[in-house]
Amino acid sequence: AQSVSQHNHHVILSEAASLELGCNYSYGGTVNLFWYVQYPGQHLQLLLKYFSGDPLVKGIKGFEAEFIKSKFSFNLRKPSVQWSDTAEYFCAPMNYGGSQGNLIFGKGTKLSVKP
Amino acid sequence: DGGITQSPKYLFRKEGQNVTLSCEQNLNHDAMYWYRQDPGQGLRLIYYSQIVNDFQKGDIAEGYSVSREKKESFPLTVTSAQKNPTAFYLCASSIDWAQNTGELFFGEGSRLTVL
Repeated sequence: AQSVSQHNHHVILSEAASLELGCNYSYGGTVNLFWYVQYPGQHLQLLLKYFSGDPLVKGIKGFEAEFIKSKFSFNLRKPSVQWSDTAEYFCAPMNYGGSQGNLIFGKGTKLSVKP
Repeated sequence: DGGITQSPKYLFRKEGQNVTLSCEQNLNHDAMYWYRQDPGQGLRLIYYSQIVNDFQKGDIAEGYSVSREKKESFPLTVTSAQKNPTAFYLCASSIDWAQNTGELFFGEGSRLTVL
């Protein structure tokens, strides 16, 4: 069955610390991969996406993610977090050739950044 | 500004009552979606609509109903048959169903509490 796993439910960091949020998926074929973010009181929005090409993709606000096909992973990273990065982050893989309805959202990781 | 408007933002309902959540978009998107978000559960797809006058069940459609009479509107009715309706409901849209961008645009959500 297709599934996605986010390793951490809640991560607490101090400002300037480095961030890595884990995401693993199980799909048989080619996938497209997404990270969405939900800031407090705001709507869910796309952070970054991977379709093909360079497995290291860059998104908004200094975030990046690396697709490692052999590990079925798409971990989100940021070298130095800020208080404003406090939010909930969702990994969402999608079958290549599928439609938006085939997005499977992970359970989310809450990030709390202490000033 | 283009976007998705959900109303009401907060709603309280007595057991046994149906309630309808509104979702309107002015993005001229063909496809629309309803998700349910519970703490620690991520987003789960309730219903989706590829185009006007068409809609399909998602993963957790039982106890819900929708209509898509106009392109810009996709209301969700939470019926008394829904056993655990207290949740945060998110409406989303995408340019079209076939375009494989994976990018969804979300509203700010409606929080339903059953008393």
